[in-house]
Amino acid sequence: GQNIDQPTEMTATEGAIVQINCTYQTSGFNGLFWYQQHAGEAPTFLSYNVLDGLEEKGRFSSFLSRSKGYSYLLLKELQMKDSASYLCVAYNNAGNMLTFGGGTRLMVKP
Amino acid sequence: DTEVTQTPKHLVMGMTNKKSLKCEQHMGHRAMYWYKQKAKKPPELMFVYSYEKLSINESVPSRFSPECPNSSLLNLHLHALQPEDSALYLCASSHQSGLAGAYEQYFGPGTRLTVT
Repeated sequence: GQNIDQPTEMTATEGAIVQINCTYQTSGFNGLFWYQQHAGEAPTFLSYNVLDGLEEKGRFSSFLSRSKGYSYLLLKELQMKDSASYLCVAYNNAGNMLTFGGGTRLMVKP
Repeated sequence: DTEVTQTPKHLVMGMTNKKSLKCEQHMGHRAMYWYKQKAKKPPELMFVYSYEKLSINESVPSRFSPECPNSSLLNLHLHALQPEDSALYLCASSHQSGLAGAYEQYFGPGTRLTVT
């Protein structure tokens, strides 16, 4: 079966750091994506981790531990425009399958 | 060009109508996808096309009929829909992935469908 868990909602302050955690249990796991989705818009790609460790890309970093079935997305120097849903997505190499978590709605307050 | 386009942006249709959603990309991607997304929920995969052939159908009702006329186009034909089919329909594309890993999916802006 496929199961991905992430918090439903988080609130943080502008300029702060926030970490969004994700745990997964999926068959055929071959990597983990993070997508950002603003309300009413399409998801946009943020990161992809296939090996254990931290991938840094500007203000955003993503971490993966395959042995623990765990990932997190770290957002630094939060800006108001970072208010969005963040989707943890597991990639299954059988048929290009993506399994989406329920998404974490992040609200950034002044 | 890293854009996936979808038309129309909004569609209102009755339960007896027949309509089509269209998706286009010119990135040379050979994998294309249809997703359905309800409000405050993640996208749900409906169909996957790989090299213009249907490779995955996630038990979608037959009132949804996909079509991939060529490597750049993906259609979703709609017939006799129900009000509960109202949702945002997202198209995405990616390079054809293999065992070595995945390529990110590029999503179109979606078609917001309302069935009355």
